[in-house]
Amino acid sequence: GQQLNQSPQSMFIQEGEDVSMNCTSSSIFNTWLWYKQEPGEGPVLLIALYKAGELTSNGRLTAQFGITRKDSFLNISASIPSDVGIYFCAGQLYNTNAGKSTFGDGTTLTVKP
Amino acid sequence: DGGITQSPKYLFRKEGQNVTLSCEQNLNHDAMYWYRQDPGQGLRLIYYSQIVNDFQKGDIAEGYSVSREKKESFPLTVTSAQKNPTAFYLCASKDGRNSNQPQHFGDGTRLSIL
Repeated sequence: GQQLNQSPQSMFIQEGEDVSMNCTSSSIFNTWLWYKQEPGEGPVLLIALYKAGELTSNGRLTAQFGITRKDSFLNISASIPSDVGIYFCAGQLYNTNAGKSTFGDGTTLTVKP
Repeated sequence: DGGITQSPKYLFRKEGQNVTLSCEQNLNHDAMYWYRQDPGQGLRLIYYSQIVNDFQKGDIAEGYSVSREKKESFPLTVTSAQKNPTAFYLCASKDGRNSNQPQHFGDGTRLSIL
């Protein structure tokens, strides 16, 4: 089946620093999604990407859909303490695979004030 | 407010007991999903349903059962056959069975063994 490799597994950064994380796949997707999960809660959708090469921003967050359709990255600029959480990528290949998403294992972000 | 409601937030199971986790959505979504999340790990798919009265096994269905009698409801039963049920359970739904729309999640149920 499809697998996603998400890296890094964890990050410890100082407040104000920029963050970059990425996901790679052995097969193509036609949708890439980025979620954030805070402790004890469900993942919340941050950014959805629908076209190869697409670059989308949501406040301090920027994500790109790789041109090969096999990768995506998420950048967070000028991190703040409330950015703490687990960030998941997910790939979808609609009209196949019963509309299921394939999830990465997450990047745990810790921000030191 | 439109959304996905999971209940209860915390649940405790005794040995040999079946327990049922509730998931209700008022988003009029066709597809619904159940995931299991263990500490420090990603999401593993238990069961999913693309339409009422139909559901499919995911990657880790053993010891679990579901039903989809109504579009808005997709309860998950953790049976006594599931020997390691302690985990965080997440329900999700999505508009369109095979669409490119993203899944949206509830706030989860944490299940523990007594």
